Amino acid sequence: KQEVTQIPAALSVPEGENLVLNCSFTDSAIYNLQWFRQDPGKGLTSLLLIQSSQREQTSGRLNASLDKSSGRSTLYIAASQPGDSATYLCAVQGDYKLSFGAGTTVTVRA
Amino acid sequence: EAGVAQSPRYKIIEKRQSVAFWCNPISGHATLYWYQQILGQGPKLLIQFQNNGVVDDSQLPKDRFSAERLKGVDSTLKIQPAKLEDSAVYLCASSAGTGGSNTQYFGPGTRLTVL
Repeated sequence: KQEVTQIPAALSVPEGENLVLNCSFTDSAIYNLQWFRQDPGKGLTSLLLIQSSQREQTSGRLNASLDKSSGRSTLYIAASQPGDSATYLCAVQGDYKLSFGAGTTVTVRA
Repeated sequence: EAGVAQSPRYKIIEKRQSVAFWCNPISGHATLYWYQQILGQGPKLLIQFQNNGVVDDSQLPKDRFSAERLKGVDSTLKIQPAKLEDSAVYLCASSAGTGGSNTQYFGPGTRLTVL
């Protein structure tokens, strides 16, 4: 059974600091890994999707890396802004199931 | 291309009442998923449909939850009777097919509060 862990559970940083969010998974047989953003009580917004054959993906200030053999992914957010405050979830796609971590809640202080 | 639509966006009910959620997937997507996300946790799959057939409902509390996708397009999820612990965001997602190569696309969710 795939287990997805996100550390830390919560993070508070001053505006302008770079954010580093970690995700680990136990079964390396995955198709892809996806990072989502979730605002309180709302749905999921897909940020980045990394195919299993890729090492990283970039979109604007966001960069996500994937090391499938060690079961790890890292999401970097450069020059954080108060608008980046949200919960960030990672999810790994197996043969039939998308498995989620519990998320990292980020607060960016102005 | 229109995304996954869900309604209502918010619902407040008292325990023991019933509630229903609606989802319309992306046009042409054969697979539809319902997830439950309790505060502070990741989404948990409740049920997966392939067209109008159930692929996986192993985590659906069948004594109170039911779901259908009669014509293989939109779907409803019902809770009857609701309990306090059903308070959560209910997410619908769709994908073109089953299997790991098919990306799931998520709707905005329905936030349910049970008092």
